[in-house]
Amino acid sequence: NAGVTQTPKFRILKIGQSMTLQCTQDMNHNYMYWYRQDPGMGLKLIYYSVGAGITDKGEVPNGYNVSRSTTEDFPLRLELAAPSQTSVYFCASIAIGQATYEQYFGPGTRLTVT
Amino acid sequence: AQTVTQSQPEMSVQEAETVTLSCTYDTSESNYYLFWYKQPPSRQMILVIRQEAYKQQNATENRFSVNFQKAAKSFSLKISDSQLGDTAMYFCAFCKTSGTYKYIFGTGTRLKVLA
Repeated sequence: NAGVTQTPKFRILKIGQSMTLQCTQDMNHNYMYWYRQDPGMGLKLIYYSVGAGITDKGEVPNGYNVSRSTTEDFPLRLELAAPSQTSVYFCASIAIGQATYEQYFGPGTRLTVT
Repeated sequence: AQTVTQSQPEMSVQEAETVTLSCTYDTSESNYYLFWYKQPPSRQMILVIRQEAYKQQNATENRFSVNFQKAAKSFSLKISDSQLGDTAMYFCAFCKTSGTYKYIFGTGTRLKVLA
């Protein structure tokens, strides 16, 4: 198993540009999450999904969109990038049925908006 | 709403010594999990240890153990025989086990192990 993979690892965007951060998991997990981590801070939840076709907002959803058309993929879309979106983005997943509630994280994407 | 508080932004410990990282949380839920995650400079989030709220026995994983005080809503992490590889950010996290499974993370404690 590759676990949770994210692409790209690094990206620099200009203000106003758009991009999609990709996240894929091969563990057949039903829950998936997107977090952002600002320097020296903890993780803040952007969006999450409880299964294909079902998504919901987290703590900081403004400026982002998600979709979940398959169990494996959970892309995060940034529209009209702003400097405030400079951060490290993590994707994670869990399998509720396993009853361990451990989140499996991807390696993160470092995004800089200038 | 649940909150997780880590009151120690930075800590340091000598190699081979013991260090305790603090975490408190606030919730009205009775069933939940608590976690400690380690984030080394590589940025990868690594699960260190988990604790089920219904279990009175404190979880242990090799050199890592927790002191779980449910009534006080406290969940501290003890690292014994500290090693240079333990240098990292440590995050405490909470997840309730009913409804939707959203995690709440603390702001982290940066631990430096000194040679």
